[in-house]
Amino acid sequence: AQKITQTQPGMFVQEKEAVTLDCTYDTSDPSYGLFWYKQPSSGEMIFLIYQGSYDQQNATEGRYSLNFQKARKSANLVISASQLGDSAMYFCAMRDVTGGGNKLTFGTGTQLKVEL
Amino acid sequence: DAGVTQSPTHLIKTRGQHVTLRCSPISGHKSVSWYQQVLGQGPQFIFQYYEKEERGRGNFPDRFSARQFPNYSSELNVNALLLGDSALYLCASSLAAGLVEAFFGQGTRLTVV
Repeated sequence: AQKITQTQPGMFVQEKEAVTLDCTYDTSDPSYGLFWYKQPSSGEMIFLIYQGSYDQQNATEGRYSLNFQKARKSANLVISASQLGDSAMYFCAMRDVTGGGNKLTFGTGTQLKVEL
Repeated sequence: DAGVTQSPTHLIKTRGQHVTLRCSPISGHKSVSWYQQVLGQGPQFIFQYYEKEERGRGNFPDRFSARQFPNYSSELNVNALLLGDSALYLCASSLAAGLVEAFFGQGTRLTVV
């Protein structure tokens, strides 16, 4: 079964610093996709970044980059130059095709707090 | 362009009642998925619909059902509500059945009392 593990329930970072949010995954499928979402207190899940298992380069989107280490089965999110508005819950997710359909299997999330 | 829209945003229901939640996907997106997010946890997959057909179902009881309409909007129905059904219900839309990007709505917060 597919599984996503986020071992950091909470993280603190100072404004303008970089922060790394950890994500490890487990799958036997050679083709998979990894996602990161941001969920502010309002509840909406905001798509940040996607990494395909066959992508040669690490994905980047503005201040977000994904440190993809396939052999270690890790897909850590790096946020550079943190801003107060980055304070939110962050979820790592994997595309899961087992049991029919295409669905996302989510981790338990990391609560990020950006401080002045 | 409008993103994924869900209605209502908040809802309070009594145990045993029925509820219908609605979702309109991003224009041009043909796949809609539903997720349940209980407080303090990550979202759990309920259903995926693509081209009006159910493509996948999560580990939820038969009290949960859904459908997709010709305009690709979708409804999630929950019968015989239990206190444990209290959660944030999220709808996600994607262009095709295979997920490369999935965009979520703001969710419907359901409280069962």
